[in-house]
Amino acid sequence: DGGITQSPKYLFRKEGQNVTLSCEQNLNHDAMYWYRQDPGQGLRLIYYSQIVNDFQKGDIAEGYSVSREKKESFPLTVTSAQKNPTAFYLCASSMGSGGDVGEQFFGPGTRLTVL
Amino acid sequence: SQQGEEDPQALSIQEGENATMNCSYKTSINNLQWYRQNSGRGLVHLILIRSNEREKHSGRLRVTLDTSKKSSSLLITASRAADTASYFCATGSGNTPLVFGKGTRLSVIA
Repeated sequence: DGGITQSPKYLFRKEGQNVTLSCEQNLNHDAMYWYRQDPGQGLRLIYYSQIVNDFQKGDIAEGYSVSREKKESFPLTVTSAQKNPTAFYLCASSMGSGGDVGEQFFGPGTRLTVL
Repeated sequence: SQQGEEDPQALSIQEGENATMNCSYKTSINNLQWYRQNSGRGLVHLILIRSNEREKHSGRLRVTLDTSKKSSSLLITASRAADTASYFCATGSGNTPLVFGKGTRLSVIA
């Protein structure tokens, strides 16, 4: 099956802890993205990567970090510097980074709760 | 930076009726896309319309784009209870990531 997976589905974090959310795709897509979604809200871009070993900040990067060591993987770390991390996190990927950005494929999401 | 603004924020209709959602945006775009999200799930791509297209159909979906008014509409005909979801528009400009709106929550009552 081709697709994009995220794990875990639910994650609980104590204040002051760093946690890492996993995102893997086997679609051979160049570009990958992380979004945050708060209740009743749209998607806000955290980080994106258009090619391996390169990534750019999105609109709300503070308190988050990413890496892109492999084409298929784009993990997101929520650091203790992120003051309000409780949210639904969505990972997405798309083909090629040149020209128009076409269809994005989304994972099922990770719901992070800070205790 | 959220460019797309969907209208209405919430819509409730009876099964069998048509549902129309609108999206307005601010800057020039290369394409506009519509996505659907069931509660607690990831988004699913519905349809993409390019800036040089005015209308596109896919099954019970009809999308229009008016670049002079910087607006788009999504029409779902003969709605079903299973169409209950949130619908988002997203605008694409060149090589930058898509920008999503806040969505319209559609409830279809059986």
